[in-house]
Amino acid sequence: DQQVKQNSPSLSVQEGRISILNCDYTNSMFDYFLWYKKYPAEGPTFLISISSIKDKNEDGRFTVFLNKSAKHLSLHIVPSQPGDSAVYFCAASPLRDMNRDDKIIFGKGTRLHILP
Amino acid sequence: NAGVTQTPKFRILKIGQSMTLQCAQDMNHNYMYWYRQDPGMGLKLIYYSVGAGITDKGEVPNGYNVSRSTTEDFPLRLELAAPSQTSVYFCASSYSKGHGVAYGYTFGSGTRLTVV
Repeated sequence: DQQVKQNSPSLSVQEGRISILNCDYTNSMFDYFLWYKKYPAEGPTFLISISSIKDKNEDGRFTVFLNKSAKHLSLHIVPSQPGDSAVYFCAASPLRDMNRDDKIIFGKGTRLHILP
Repeated sequence: NAGVTQTPKFRILKIGQSMTLQCAQDMNHNYMYWYRQDPGMGLKLIYYSVGAGITDKGEVPNGYNVSRSTTEDFPLRLELAAPSQTSVYFCASSYSKGHGVAYGYTFGSGTRLTVV
């Protein structure tokens, strides 16, 4: 069963416009959410995270929004740049359950193409 | 800083062969992880370690073994390679569980393994 779902396998956005990547989750015990970016032939790199006590976190061009009632989060990239073309993974973790040493659970990823 | 180093980058194995995927980190991180990524799928946790001498199973441990004799190294062993183990393997590390979910894991660049 998929606890973290990214329902869009790919997304194309014009350079300079806003990119919105979506993620849904099923486990109400998740209390940290993360976004990773992955280029081909490289490992994922951490982009931004948000705690469940917040509904928004911003870092430069990247903003993550969390809607706990809908169990939904989204990553906004404004403005989109060619270097943003990559696979983006949504991930979640039940940090407060300290007896469980796991683990960040990853979605399947969304491939973002920034068009010139 | 080297970060997380994985070797080899590519390998082709015949069914039934064995090999060890190497992973080393130079950040003095306590937590280390092995993930596999199958095409079109998210990352799935194979094994993890919370410190030298301590390892535990993740979501998909069958067919693999690990050891953690030092803080720096976390090798992954495949004893009898099977085609189902064809995948890209990523090693990751974090200072602690809390640090990992708030600031992300540091990933290596991966080992692409093909079993024929």
